[in-house]
Amino acid sequence: QKEVEQNSGPLSVPEGAIASLNCTYSDRGSQSFFWYRQYSGKSPELIMFIYSNGDKEDGRFTAQLNKASQYVSLLIRDSQPSDSATYLCAVANAGNMLTFGGGTRLMVKP
Amino acid sequence: SAVISQKPSRDICQRGTSLTIQCQVDSQVTMMFWYRQQPGQSLTLIATANQGSEATYESGFVIDKFPISRPNLTFSTLTVSNMSPEDSSIYLCSVLQGLLYFGPGTRLTVL
Repeated sequence: QKEVEQNSGPLSVPEGAIASLNCTYSDRGSQSFFWYRQYSGKSPELIMFIYSNGDKEDGRFTAQLNKASQYVSLLIRDSQPSDSATYLCAVANAGNMLTFGGGTRLMVKP
Repeated sequence: SAVISQKPSRDICQRGTSLTIQCQVDSQVTMMFWYRQQPGQSLTLIATANQGSEATYESGFVIDKFPISRPNLTFSTLTVSNMSPEDSSIYLCSVLQGLLYFGPGTRLTVL
């Protein structure tokens, strides 16, 4: 069974700090990796994707991928209360079918 | 990215009834999917809606319970049949346009 694992949290960080969200996956054939943000009562919103080992930065968000360790992470710099949400890690195989992790709930405290 | 709409946005239904959820996309897309998100859980793929042919269902989901139509490249429906309280979930339409995007979801409560 292909799995994507995330710590459910909640992860609590003070405003202005760096939030680090982690995800591991079991399928070594995974090709693409995604982070979705889901506010309570809303649908998931794609915020980052990464295909290659290393870091990818977009504004306050950095996605990090290590295929050898089967590990992908999302860093949120200068965290804001508006970043409080559940973050879903998703992993795609060669057929572009996504498997989602259980999500990590992030709480940013003012 | 495509703009995706779903109807209804929410509904409360009685046990044993059926509900049809509509998904409309503002542009033609090849790949459309239906997901379920049970309370406090992550997303589970129900099926891939194939245009002009039968949907492809994931393990644990069957056509008799979740019939899907895909008459064209911009529209799909998902029916939740013979509902029970265990079907209370958010049902999400999604499309693949290079990346996977989700509609706003339909929140279903079955009494």
